[in-house]
Amino acid sequence: DVKVTQSSRYLVKRTGEKVFLECVQDMDHENMFWYRQDPGLGLRLIYFSYDVKMKEKGDIPEGYSVSREKKERFSLILESASTNQTSMYLCASATGGYGYTFGSGTRLTVV
Amino acid sequence: AQRVTQPEKLLSVFKGAPVELKCNYSYSGSPELFWYVQYSRQRLQLLLRHISRESIKGFTADLNKGETSFHLKKPFAQEEDSAMYYCALGGGGSEKLVFGKGMKLTVNP
Repeated sequence: DVKVTQSSRYLVKRTGEKVFLECVQDMDHENMFWYRQDPGLGLRLIYFSYDVKMKEKGDIPEGYSVSREKKERFSLILESASTNQTSMYLCASATGGYGYTFGSGTRLTVV
Repeated sequence: AQRVTQPEKLLSVFKGAPVELKCNYSYSGSPELFWYVQYSRQRLQLLLRHISRESIKGFTADLNKGETSFHLKKPFAQEEDSAMYYCALGGGGSEKLVFGKGMKLTVNP
C-alpha cells in the first residue's frame, strides 16, 4: 500500500524555536508538497519539490524553508516558530497526474 | 492564476437525499480536476478525478468546461458520507494542485 509518513502527529513548540517537520514516502514519487490546513482557509501550499534538491515556493512560503536531500524525504523547517504558524501541516507526494497521496498530518501548536 | 471556489461551507441533508457539492474553477489552460475527502480523524484521500470518469462510493463528477465547474453528486446520501470535501485543480504539466476551501457535508439519520 502506498504510504506517506509524517514523523509526528502532534507537536508543541515555543515561540522562536526552530522546528523540523519530516515526511517520508515509499512510492518513488518525484513530487512532494507541504501544505497547511486551517479551518475556513482550506489547504494552502507552502513549498513543493519536483526532484531531489529542487524546490519551489508555494503561496505562503514566508517563515518556512524546505530540504530535499533524498528522493523519499521532504522536510519542512520553521526557522523561528511564531504563534501564527500554529496549524495542521500536511505532506503529500504525487506522480503521473494521478493526484496526491497525503500523510496523516502534523498538528503543530506554537506557544 | 488558478483558482478554485467552493461556494458553500456547510451542507446538511438527510440520509437518502441527493447531494451536490459545488466547485467552480478559474484556469486558462487545460484543467485537471480532483475531489478529495477527509473523514473524521482520517487523512485526506483522493475520491475521484475527472480524467478517469469513474464513480467512487456512488459519487460522480462531470467536468463542464463551459461553466468551469466540477460539481460532485450523489443521488442517495449515506451517513458515512459525512466528511470534509475539497475540490482541487491542476494542469499545465505540473503536479501542483490548488485547493478550494472545503465543504463540510453532514448526512443525518
